[in-house]
Amino acid sequence: EVQLLESGGGLVQPGGSLRLSCAASGFTFNNYCVSWVRQAPGKGLEWVSAVSGGGDNTYYADSVKGRFTIFRDNSKNTLYLQMNSLRADDTAVYYCAKELADGKPYDNWGQGTLVTVSS
Amino acid sequence: EIVLTQSPATLSLSPGERATLSCRTSQSVSSSLAWYQQKPGQAPRLLMYDASNRATGIPARFSGSGSGTDFTLTISSLEPEDSAVYYCQQRISWWTFGQGTKVEIK
Repeated sequence: EVQLLESGGGLVQPGGSLRLSCAASGFTFNNYCVSWVRQAPGKGLEWVSAVSGGGDNTYYADSVKGRFTIFRDNSKNTLYLQMNSLRADDTAVYYCAKELADGKPYDNWGQGTLVTVSS
Repeated sequence: EIVLTQSPATLSLSPGERATLSCRTSQSVSSSLAWYQQKPGQAPRLLMYDASNRATGIPARFSGSGSGTDFTLTISSLEPEDSAVYYCQQRISWWTFGQGTKVEIK
């Protein structure tokens, strides 16, 4: 059974940093592109960032480019999101998600971790 | 960036009725269009991929159609548990989601 388990969320002040983790199990982690998708309170889904299976290629939404860094440790089956210079509008539930196959949509999602940026 | 526009914003129907949800893309995505269902407090669940393929375990009352820029998700006979927000997503050029359609069961 595929499992994705996020951690690392919490309350942080504007301008602060936070690192999210997503522990994966039940599939060959390094074979899949994985992403972070967020959802602000009461709002829709917003794709944030993605990384290829080998970790060589990374992609970012314009809203986080230059502030967030996605990376993975395939030896630990774990995905990360380093978030710097956090703003109030980064407040959201952050989900990690695995693609069904290369270029396909997400067939598995974690339960999400809440990040709140507030003073 | 490819923009996805969903309509209507809210759909209110009775059990057993047919629901028709629309997703329009700002440029062609061929058939690279997916649909998700999200219930309150839960992560999204993949319903359809490649416009018309049901994901594993999805009931046959859900169907998808379309190609290019116009897509439809149909729920043939609504069940109470279908109350949720439905999102479309394109995957031909990076990743973008529509803003969602809320389906309410009367």
